[in-house]
Amino acid sequence: NAGVTQTPKFQVLKTGQSMTLQCAQDMNHNSMYWYRQDPGMGLRLIYYSASEGTTDKGEVPNGYNVSRLNKREFSLRLESAAPSQTSVYFCASSEAGTSGETQYFGPGTRLLVL
Amino acid sequence: GNSVTQMEGPVTLSEEAFLTINCTYTATGYPSLFWYVQYPGEGLQLLLKATKADDKGSNKGFEATYRKETTSFHLEKGSVQVSDSAVYFCALSDLQGAQKLVFGQGTRLTINP
Repeated sequence: NAGVTQTPKFQVLKTGQSMTLQCAQDMNHNSMYWYRQDPGMGLRLIYYSASEGTTDKGEVPNGYNVSRLNKREFSLRLESAAPSQTSVYFCASSEAGTSGETQYFGPGTRLLVL
Repeated sequence: GNSVTQMEGPVTLSEEAFLTINCTYTATGYPSLFWYVQYPGEGLQLLLKATKADDKGSNKGFEATYRKETTSFHLEKGSVQVSDSAVYFCALSDLQGAQKLVFGQGTRLTINP
């Protein structure tokens, strides 16, 4: 039982390049989330998927797109990377997306945009 | 909107000292409250939670009580260990639809032997 896995662990991009961050969970959870973590700002929600087939914007969605490929996988795409997107990205999942549930986090992807 | 404010860090303590990390929140209604911990190089993991007023969450010697009257959820531990060195995040969950967490800025804790 691997929990939440993310690939890649680390990536360097040039401004304007695109990339997709992959996330998968093996806990049969319905809800999945993408956060970014910046120094001194905690984690901020980018996008979430309450259930397979649905996605919604979070607090900071500009410059990102997501795909809930199936129940297990939730990817985050940067179409044209900018230095402001340098951050650590965390994927998380929870069983049903209800208040009070525990979210389970992946190990993170560290992204540097030059 | 909803928000969480944590005490500024970093916090440095000696082993066996008493720990308090303050957390206050602003929210509509009665959200669930969480403390997550991030060890170096890892993702976040749940430390404890409380889902209604006056509930006390506890785990690994850490405790926090949901205080509606002061809108607080302070984290405490009676005797810290070197292994408690980590970043601690207070968070609340949005009540509407999917559980969207709102995090505080995090408090880095270092415990010296």
